[in-house]
Amino acid sequence: DQQVKQNSPSLSVQEGRISILNCDYTNSMFDYFLWYKKYPAEGPTFLISISSIKDKNEDGRFTVFLNKSAKHLSLHIVPSQPGDSAVYFCAAYSGGGADGLTFGKGTHLIIQP
Amino acid sequence: ETGVTQTPRHLVMGMTNKKSLKCEQHLGHNAMYWYKQSAKKPLELMFVYSLEERVENNSVPSRFSPECPNSSHLFLHLHTLQPEDSALYLCASSTWTGGGYEQYFGPGTRLTVT
Repeated sequence: DQQVKQNSPSLSVQEGRISILNCDYTNSMFDYFLWYKKYPAEGPTFLISISSIKDKNEDGRFTVFLNKSAKHLSLHIVPSQPGDSAVYFCAAYSGGGADGLTFGKGTHLIIQP
Repeated sequence: ETGVTQTPRHLVMGMTNKKSLKCEQHLGHNAMYWYKQSAKKPLELMFVYSLEERVENNSVPSRFSPECPNSSHLFLHLHTLQPEDSALYLCASSTWTGGGYEQYFGPGTRLTVT
């Protein structure tokens, strides 16, 4: 049973517009959430994270929103650029133990010129 | 070299071979991880090492054997693998503070078992 779900395998957005990637989770013990970006033939690159005590974290063009009651988080990229075309993974962590990260399956973001 | 490096980048092995994957981190971290990414599946955690001691084994078959000789190096020893073990194997590292927090990944080893 998947604890972190990314229900959109792919998303196409026009350059300059906002990209919104969504992620849902089921484990209420998760207290730290991360977004990774992955290009082909490379490992995932850390983008931005958020602790469960916050509802928003911003870093340049990237903003992550967390809705704990809905067990939902989203990544906003604005404005979208061609270099943003990649697979984006949502990941979650429970700080209470020696756990690694639990990942979603990823969303392939395609930025159209 | 900086970051997290993995060698080899590609590996083809038969089911009776023995091989090892190597990971090295240059970030001063004290925790290291092995993940597996199979086609159309999310990354799956295999092993966690903190301060060179294994703290988690996610029910991984014994044909995968990890080794962490020091905080900068991590190995995954492979023997008598099955074709379904073909996947991308990713190493990651982080600073252990009672939690994994941001993990930094290597480029991965693409393994094909024939």
